Amino acid sequence: QKEVEQNSGPLSVPEGAIASLNCTYSDRGSQSFFWYRQYSGKSPELIMFIYSNGDKEDGRFTAQLNKASQYVSLLIRDSQPSDSATYLCAVNRRVGNEKLTFGTGTRLTIIP
Amino acid sequence: DAGVTQSPTHLIKTRGQHVTLRCSPISGHKSVSWYQQVLGQGPQFIFQYYEKEERGRGNFPDRFSARQFPNYSSELNVNALLLGDSALYLCASSQQGVAETQYFGPGTRLLVL
Repeated sequence: QKEVEQNSGPLSVPEGAIASLNCTYSDRGSQSFFWYRQYSGKSPELIMFIYSNGDKEDGRFTAQLNKASQYVSLLIRDSQPSDSATYLCAVNRRVGNEKLTFGTGTRLTIIP
Repeated sequence: DAGVTQSPTHLIKTRGQHVTLRCSPISGHKSVSWYQQVLGQGPQFIFQYYEKEERGRGNFPDRFSARQFPNYSSELNVNALLLGDSALYLCASSQQGVAETQYFGPGTRLLVL
């Protein structure tokens, strides 16, 4: 079982619709969760982080965390063509060896 | 404020050679982490340094080493390069180094021939 799993996609969403990206993790000790956006040939760019169960909103982005189900998601409202990228989910433990463990990413394409 | 900077941006080496990659963190950040990203995969953790001490090491061979300097900049060294070391090498910085949000630099793209 992979530590962090994401559907690799591609996920195609019409412009203006809601894009829903999902991520599951295996380590129940994971404490912090991050979403990064990565354009082709570029480095990951932080979009959001979430530590507590529930929803966290920032502009058009909403992160959702359910620790009981070991599930974290990212919703993108009013999707724009500029949102087309690979979205990486990453998790971190707060103790011991501090590192981000990434999923393989979901490729999102917004169709004009 | 300047973000994380890395040098060089691109590098071509041959098998068996050695390479040194450099990273300067965001001003005020004391923690630097290194990641390797192979095409089509998520970044893989290599090292973390905080206040010049190694805080964590990923599952990479001893050919990989790193260090952090008093000004918090860092070097990643890879000896005896293999074709499989071809990847994007990413440096990330954070303030405290303990489950803090990490910000990535532009990366160094290494090609081993």
